[in-house]
Amino acid sequence: GENVEQHPSTLSVQEGDSAVIKCTYSDSASNYFPWYKQELGKRPQLIIDIRSNVGEKKDQRIAVTLNKTAKHFSLHITETQPEDSAVYFCAALNQAGTALIFGKGTTLSVSS
Amino acid sequence: GAVVSQHPSWVICKSGTSVKIECRSLDFQATTMFWYRQFPKQSLMLMATSNEGSKATYEQGVEKDKFLINHASLTLSTLTVTSAHPEDSSFYICSATGPTNEKLFFGSGTQLSVL
Repeated sequence: GENVEQHPSTLSVQEGDSAVIKCTYSDSASNYFPWYKQELGKRPQLIIDIRSNVGEKKDQRIAVTLNKTAKHFSLHITETQPEDSAVYFCAALNQAGTALIFGKGTTLSVSS
Repeated sequence: GAVVSQHPSWVICKSGTSVKIECRSLDFQATTMFWYRQFPKQSLMLMATSNEGSKATYEQGVEKDKFLINHASLTLSTLTVTSAHPEDSSFYICSATGPTNEKLFFGSGTQLSVL
């Protein structure tokens, strides 16, 4: 089945810096890749997603890039702010298209 | 976005008791709901996929007799942790695919503590 690897597990940046989180997936048939942000004790919230027919998508300070050949996709956060501090999860839709498989998560800490 | 409601948010129970968690889609019909388990500082682990009107599909290693799932309507799925033990203590979170059948929306989660 689908396997999703996520790096790094923790990431600390200064306010205003950029943050990049990378994920790789195993199933070449996967075609949908969302990113979720989870604050402590709260539910995961979808922040951005990308389909396999697109190489890059941007929404204000957040962007996602996808390399289908290499089977990896990345989350880019620019001009980070303390409120960006949270756990970020990448995910890939499994081959059957029936479930999202999550990476292990990245704890992002933005210090002011 | 679509709203998924989950109750209760926190349960403390004695070892051996059963606990039922409800997951409702409030403004859309959810043909498929998913149940995840999350340990502290860890990722979301898929436990089972619940389809309305049929038996749930469990992931490898998840005991179906231990974690009973019922999806009796298009807006409600329940997870019952039977004869709970301390090792079942965890954060359980449901989710459902929205009207476009792709984006996943999460419930607020249930923290289960078994004494």
